[in-house]
Amino acid sequence: GAVVSQHPSWVICKSGTSVKIECRSLDFQATTMFWYRQFPKQSLMLMATSNEGSKATYEQGVEKDKFLINHASLTLSTLTVTSAHPEDSSFYICSARTGTEDQPQHFGDGTRLSIL
Amino acid sequence: GESVGLHLPTLSVQEGDNSIINCAYSNSASDYFIWYKQESGKGPQFIIDIRSNMDKRQGQRVTVLLNKTVKHLSLQIAATQPGDSAVYFCAEGSGYNKLIFGAGTRLAVHP
Repeated sequence: GAVVSQHPSWVICKSGTSVKIECRSLDFQATTMFWYRQFPKQSLMLMATSNEGSKATYEQGVEKDKFLINHASLTLSTLTVTSAHPEDSSFYICSARTGTEDQPQHFGDGTRLSIL
Repeated sequence: GESVGLHLPTLSVQEGDNSIINCAYSNSASDYFIWYKQESGKGPQFIIDIRSNMDKRQGQRVTVLLNKTVKHLSLQIAATQPGDSAVYFCAEGSGYNKLIFGAGTRLAVHP
């Protein structure tokens, strides 16, 4: 149980384009979803927290107009990187948890984004 | 500021030995701690968690110890296997929401 799926797993696109990444909870309802960014050999940095039906809460230094997050249902959240540039290349990982206490965050397998 | 750090960036062990991965945290208000395992190219996989009202919790081959006095967290893996080779992250939080991750420790298991 507690499976989180991300799509796509790997994407390459040209500079200036927008890229959408999907995060789905397959066997549970995710009240809260989180988006992280991870550079090679580094730790996970939280970008934003999204609750279903609400606007996402962004961490300090994360541009909300650059990284658009939508959490329209209890099983789906999307992250759109707008007008992507090479410096946006990274490993983006989502996690999800139910609203039930004592349930941890479960992570997807990440999306490797490469901007040329 | 808040931070979660690890004492050892790389840990090499022999197969069958026990492994101990350490983690220090600085936010005394944190009441929830969790260990994740991350294999190359994959997302973190939940291992075990512990609340601040406990000092020890055991799972299958893993034990997490929490010492709130010195703000120290450790993960013990018994009879380490090659499949345990990965990067291990500790994370702290308040409640079950936002997590702050440590830098990570790479565990290398040698036959």
